[in-house]
Amino acid sequence: QKEVEQNSGPLSVPEGAIASLNCTYSDRGSQSFFWYRQYSGKSPELIMSIYSNGDKEDGRFTAQLNKASQYVSLLIRDSQPSDSATYLCAAPGTRTGFQKLVFGTGTRLLVSP
Amino acid sequence: ETGVTQTPRHLVMGMTNKKSLKCEQHLGHNAMYWYKQSAKKPLELMFVYSLEERVENNSVPSRFSPECPNSSHLFLHLHTLQPEDSALYLCASRRDLNTEAFFGQGTRLTVV
Repeated sequence: QKEVEQNSGPLSVPEGAIASLNCTYSDRGSQSFFWYRQYSGKSPELIMSIYSNGDKEDGRFTAQLNKASQYVSLLIRDSQPSDSATYLCAAPGTRTGFQKLVFGTGTRLLVSP
Repeated sequence: ETGVTQTPRHLVMGMTNKKSLKCEQHLGHNAMYWYKQSAKKPLELMFVYSLEERVENNSVPSRFSPECPNSSHLFLHLHTLQPEDSALYLCASRRDLNTEAFFGQGTRLTVV
């Protein structure tokens, strides 16, 4: 079982819609979760960090965490073509190294005008 | 300006060359990472250096050799690489176990 799993997509949504990106993780000991955005050929850029169960909102972005279900999601409201990118979910891999940070394969989002 | 700086941004090298990638962080973080990202593949952790330990992915070939002289600088020494080593090499740093990582701009490496 992969430590962090994401659907590779692509996820296609029209401009103005809500994009919902999902991620599951295997290590129940993980306490923090991160969402990154990566444009083609560029390095990952941090969008959101979430540490507690529930929702965390920042502008058009909302991260949701459910530790009981080992599930974390990212909602993007009012999606824009500039949001088209690959979104990476990350979590610490506590069982395999003190400082290991494990990334999912990423979900490619396409927002059409 | 990013708090994590990588040089060079682009590198083309032959299979018999020796080169080094450099990473520097100005964030006061305690751990530094090397990741490899090949085309259409996920991020692959290569090496981690922290105050407590060095962790490495056992599948990384010995032609990649990391060096971490202090908590702010990280190098990746390259020798006798193969064309399949062509990829985006990313450096990142973190403050501690439960905080986010910040990435440098990456080095696009092409082995010819």
